Amino acid sequence: DTAVSQTPKYLVTQMGNDKSIKCEQNLGHDTMYWYKQDSKKFLKIMFSYNNKELIINETVPNRFSPKSPDKAHLNLHINSLELGDSAVYFCASSQGGRAYEQYFGPGTRLTVT
Amino acid sequence: SQQGEEDPQALSIQEGENATMNCSYKTSINNLQWYRQNSGRGLVHLILIRSNEREKHSGRLRVTLDTSKKSSSLLITASRAADTASYFCATGPIQGAQKLVFGQGTRLTINP
Repeated sequence: DTAVSQTPKYLVTQMGNDKSIKCEQNLGHDTMYWYKQDSKKFLKIMFSYNNKELIINETVPNRFSPKSPDKAHLNLHINSLELGDSAVYFCASSQGGRAYEQYFGPGTRLTVT
Repeated sequence: SQQGEEDPQALSIQEGENATMNCSYKTSINNLQWYRQNSGRGLVHLILIRSNEREKHSGRLRVTLDTSKKSSSLLITASRAADTASYFCATGPIQGAQKLVFGQGTRLTINP
């Protein structure tokens, strides 16, 4: 009965490849997010969807494309992976936006070699 | 620069002692939240304090908010080894995008 789940937990791939990370939440929340945490633990928002609609699109290379097939799912596809994409990617959800607590998934550690 | 900044960046204390972490921010906020992250895990929400509140308690946690100084503190009393983690503050701005902005965190180590 995991609240926010992500797959895979670890992803090791070579430069230039395309990969996807999947996220699912069973909390009935209407808002989902993707964050990137770098090696210094700095957590930066990338995207946010509310009811399947993109509401936040931070300064992220267009190689990153989120997709929300329904309110419970938010996937992240990354094209032409680069070394600098290596990080931990977290999915999160909340009911509403900035005024409410967020529930985080366990993270996906992406290593690009 | 980012909204929230925690201080200190790292804190090491003995089990049983109290731990205090501080967070400063720049813009007006709707609320401020504290999260904990254990090594290799996702963030866990600890407590939310709204801009019209000055203090909030949850178990061994006490959070204060001073909007005039744009700062908050998180106090963990009677610390335990299991409290070892990174602690992040996150602010929800009044205006602008519907998002939380996280600080860089305080790494807390509780020594047995």
